[in-house]
Amino acid sequence: NAGVTQTPKFQVLKTGQSMTLQCAQDMNHEYMSWYRQDPGMGLRLIHYSVGAGITDQGEVPNGYNVSRSTTEDFPLRLLSAAPSQTSVYFCASSRRGVAGLYNEQFFGPGTRLTVL
Amino acid sequence: TQLLKQSPQFLSIQEGENLTVYCNSSSVFSSLQWYRQEPGEGPVLLVTVVTGGEVKKLKRLTFQFGDARKDSSLHITAAQPGDTGLYLCAGANFGNEKLTFGTGTRLTIIP
Repeated sequence: NAGVTQTPKFQVLKTGQSMTLQCAQDMNHEYMSWYRQDPGMGLRLIHYSVGAGITDQGEVPNGYNVSRSTTEDFPLRLLSAAPSQTSVYFCASSRRGVAGLYNEQFFGPGTRLTVL
Repeated sequence: TQLLKQSPQFLSIQEGENLTVYCNSSSVFSSLQWYRQEPGEGPVLLVTVVTGGEVKKLKRLTFQFGDARKDSSLHITAAQPGDTGLYLCAGANFGNEKLTFGTGTRLTIIP
């Protein structure tokens, strides 16, 4: 099993450009999520999905879009990149929890994005 | 937004010493997880605590969930250089699919 894979590992964009961060998992997990990590702020949830065709917003969704057409893939789209979106982005997957009990989140290796 | 504040933000100690890291919130969580993250990698789960007052041990690491389920602590005995990393707590709630992460504690163990 490859687990959770993310591409690219590094990316530099100019302000206003768009791009898609790819995320795939081979564990047949229902739950997938995207986080951004900034110094001193831990991980902040951008968007999440509890299954194919179902997505919802997290804490910081503005400027990002997601879709979940298959169980395996959960791409994150930056519509018009801004310097404030410079961050490290992590995708995670897990089996869906029951009544607030979270199962183990498996994280990808991250994408380091710089917006100039 | 539920906030999980971790303290200290940075901690640097000598190998062999003991340490405690705290995760505090004004909100109640149904369960709480601790993750460790090494540079250039994603976080990896260490433990999940569910019951108020619960204590779990993982070798030299002891995790405690507060009685009121608003806080948690991580105690490391006889720290080793391999314990170096970013420690993150994360809380979950009934009826809410979102996991809230804490601000993180960056731990450095000096050989």
